[in-house]
Amino acid sequence: SAVISQKPSRDICQRGTSLTIQCQVDSQVTMMFWYRQQPGQSLTLIATANQGSEATYESGFVIDKFPISRPNLTFSTLTVSNMSPEDSSIYLCSVIQGQETQYFGPGTRLLVL
Amino acid sequence: QKEVEQNSGPLSVPEGAIASLNCTYSDRGSQSFFWYRQYSGKSPELIMSIYSNGDKEDGRFTAQLNKASQYVSLLIRDSQPSDSATYLCAVGKVTGGGNKLTFGTGTQLKVEL
Repeated sequence: SAVISQKPSRDICQRGTSLTIQCQVDSQVTMMFWYRQQPGQSLTLIATANQGSEATYESGFVIDKFPISRPNLTFSTLTVSNMSPEDSSIYLCSVIQGQETQYFGPGTRLLVL
Repeated sequence: QKEVEQNSGPLSVPEGAIASLNCTYSDRGSQSFFWYRQYSGKSPELIMSIYSNGDKEDGRFTAQLNKASQYVSLLIRDSQPSDSATYLCAVGKVTGGGNKLTFGTGTQLKVEL
């Protein structure tokens, strides 16, 4: 499976600030996704990161709050903008390889004070 | 009704026993089914994938799918303390945006010595 890395692995931020999370894959992949996992809960899809075009957002998530870039087939960023304590979560990128199988990066643990 | 339902547990089994994890889903158009294992503080790790009715075995793990009953399960034979984790059921469906996964809330498994 693809090797996926994320930066930063964790961060503590002040409310009102923004954080950009990077996701790097060691091989070209067609599909990349961003998920959120709030404390004690399961994974919720934020958006599909599309190479060369605007991301496709799921219901409840908007570009102004979670802008996403995907400049090529191995890299994507997710920005969490104007953060509040409710944004404290684990943010995960994932990729598809093979027959529809998704693999996850190690995650970024965000705490907003 | 949740799209993907799992008993949150915890499910406690003695070492060496069979652990049985269950998942039901609501969308009859679902096409792919996955089990992920997530250790505390870590990202989800793919355990099994299954696409057609019946059983699929991989080492100590067996996935079972019954599309008529909208039911998927994971059996873990000879359970080990290292199997203690949260097991996430994920159901996939191909849409215009690619193969999207919907996750259950997970079942916490505890294997006791």
